Amino acid sequence: KQEVTQIPAALSVPEGENLVLNCSFTDSAIYNLQWFRQDPGKGLTSLLLIQSSQREQTSGRLNASLDKSSGRSTLYIAASQPGDSATYLCAAITGNQFYFGTGTSLTVIP
Amino acid sequence: DGGITQSPKYLFRKEGQNVTLSCEQNLNHDAMYWYRQDPGQGLRLIYYSQIVNDFQKGDIAEGYSVSREKKESFPLTVTSAQKNPTAFYLCASSKHPGVGVQETQYFGPGTRLLVL
Repeated sequence: KQEVTQIPAALSVPEGENLVLNCSFTDSAIYNLQWFRQDPGKGLTSLLLIQSSQREQTSGRLNASLDKSSGRSTLYIAASQPGDSATYLCAAITGNQFYFGTGTSLTVIP
Repeated sequence: DGGITQSPKYLFRKEGQNVTLSCEQNLNHDAMYWYRQDPGQGLRLIYYSQIVNDFQKGDIAEGYSVSREKKESFPLTVTSAQKNPTAFYLCASSKHPGVGVQETQYFGPGTRLLVL
């Protein structure tokens, strides 16, 4: 069964800093890898989806990379802002299901 | 505006009581999903439905039941058999059954269930 791990569990950075969130998965036979954002008490919002044939996707200040062979994905956030404070979850899409990590709680300090 | 709505936002359950969480979507999506989220754990799949009148168990279906009588609606019932129901419940939908190359899931705002 697919297992997804996210490190670190929590991260606090000063505004303006670049940062990297990590996601690892045990089964490399994935269709896609997706990153979501979750604000407290809210649902999930899709940020980036990387197809298995791709190595990275970019949207604004966000860049996500995928290395299937090593079972890893990273989410890079450039020039962080207080509005980026949220929990970030990755999901490995295998077979018919999404397998979610436990998330990284990010706090950007003004 | 298209989207997914969940109600209520908060729900309280008494011992031995069944409660039903509502999920409605107007995205014309075929597939719908229910997840449970607990602190320190990732989302876990309870049930999913790829088409009307059909649904499959996820990883933690025990103590839950669903129905899919209409494409737009996928209610989840938390039965008295679920001994630890306190959690945040998220409903999601996707356009096509299964997972395709460009597939993604769209999530509702969630329902928090608390036990009295």
